[in-house]
Amino acid sequence: QVQLVQSGAEVKKPGASVKVSCKISGYTFTRDYMHWVRQAPGQGLEWMGVINPSGTSTNYAQKFQGRVTMTRDTSTSTLYMEVSSLRSEDTAVYYCARDHLDNWGQGTLVTVSS
Amino acid sequence: EVVMTQSPLSLPVTLGQPASISCRSSQSLVSSDGDTYLNWFQQRPGQSPRRLIYKVSNRDSGVPDRFSGSGSGTDFTLKISRVEAEDVGVYYCMQDKQWPYTFGQGTKLEIK
Repeated sequence: QVQLVQSGAEVKKPGASVKVSCKISGYTFTRDYMHWVRQAPGQGLEWMGVINPSGTSTNYAQKFQGRVTMTRDTSTSTLYMEVSSLRSEDTAVYYCARDHLDNWGQGTLVTVSS
Repeated sequence: EVVMTQSPLSLPVTLGQPASISCRSSQSLVSSDGDTYLNWFQQRPGQSPRRLIYKVSNRDSGVPDRFSGSGSGTDFTLKISRVEAEDVGVYYCMQDKQWPYTFGQGTKLEIK
């Protein structure tokens, strides 16, 4: 069955960067677009962006442009998302998800605190 | 960007009774391929979101048939025919017709 397993929780200081990973198994990794969605504590879901099957093209939500980088490693079937210049408002659970969000990872809590 | 608006935001329901959530989009979700790209997600407390319904009315695998989706164009509805205790959580509509994908604010379903 399809599985998306994300890396563990992170605690970062303001201004730092964080890189979250998402390992996919159970289907052909290079077939689908992959998305990232985040959820701040007690808040709703926010789409961050998408990467194409080959990893050669990305599309980011306007508010994340310039601060978010999505990549994928087809040799290890792993997706990555890096957020730079972290601020307290970036404290959230970050999810990876398959195209059309039919399968989700378990989420990675990123806490930004001085 | 397509704006998604849900109502109500809070939904207290008695066990065994029906429940209904509305979702409106700021523009038509009908794509050039003729399909309408509206989804419904359930997020139980402490869990990742789970897709329940895609393309307005198609249930995902394993989703109980008490969940149903309907609507067209810009107005959509999620119905639960008889609410069970395991249905407690937050429900989101989401459009995937175009990037950026956008979500409704969420509707919190609780047992009265």
